[in-house]
Amino acid sequence: GENVEQHPSTLSVQEGDSAVIKCTYSDSASNYFPWYKQELGKRPQLIIDIRSNVGEKKDQRIAVTLNKTAKHFSLHITETQPEDSAVYFCAASGGAGGFKTIFGAGTRLFVKA
Amino acid sequence: SQTIHQWPATLVQPVGSPLSLECTVEGTSNPNLYWYRQAAGRGLQLLFYSVGIGQISSEVPQNLSASRPQDRQFILSSKKLLLSDSGFYLCAWASGLYNEQFFGPGTRLTVL
Repeated sequence: GENVEQHPSTLSVQEGDSAVIKCTYSDSASNYFPWYKQELGKRPQLIIDIRSNVGEKKDQRIAVTLNKTAKHFSLHITETQPEDSAVYFCAASGGAGGFKTIFGAGTRLFVKA
Repeated sequence: SQTIHQWPATLVQPVGSPLSLECTVEGTSNPNLYWYRQAAGRGLQLLFYSVGIGQISSEVPQNLSASRPQDRQFILSSKKLLLSDSGFYLCAWASGLYNEQFFGPGTRLTVL
């Protein structure tokens, strides 16, 4: 079935450094790739997304890239701040899964002040 | 704008007791609705989803069930809770060409 693999599972960076989280997906028909941020005890919040007809999208300090050929997509956070500390989930949808969104297992990001 | 509500926010129940969690969405029509469970420190497990009134798709066979009695209402139920049912239950709605999903505030369930 459809699968999304996410790496690393844990990432620790110094404040001000960049953080990169990578995901691969199995269904080549997937056409929508959202990223969610979940702070402790809270709901996942959609922070950025990219559609299959776009290779890169940027919103202030966060950016997402998509390589459809390799079925890879990545989240880039620049100038990290302590409030970026959270669990980040990548996801893919629009393929054979129909109305389902397939989530990665999550990356716990620690930003050290 | 769209809003999603879940209640209760927190629930402590004994093993073997019944469960009813409710989710409602405002500001949109005919949304796709989802129930997820998240164990402590873990990822999102899809339990059920619905693309219309009375239409329920089950992803994981277990002692839970879901119903959609109205367009913007989604209910998660159990007749007898197990210890393993403890977790953070999230409802989500989605719509549009790309089916962007938005999560409710969640219900934290502890089964003792």
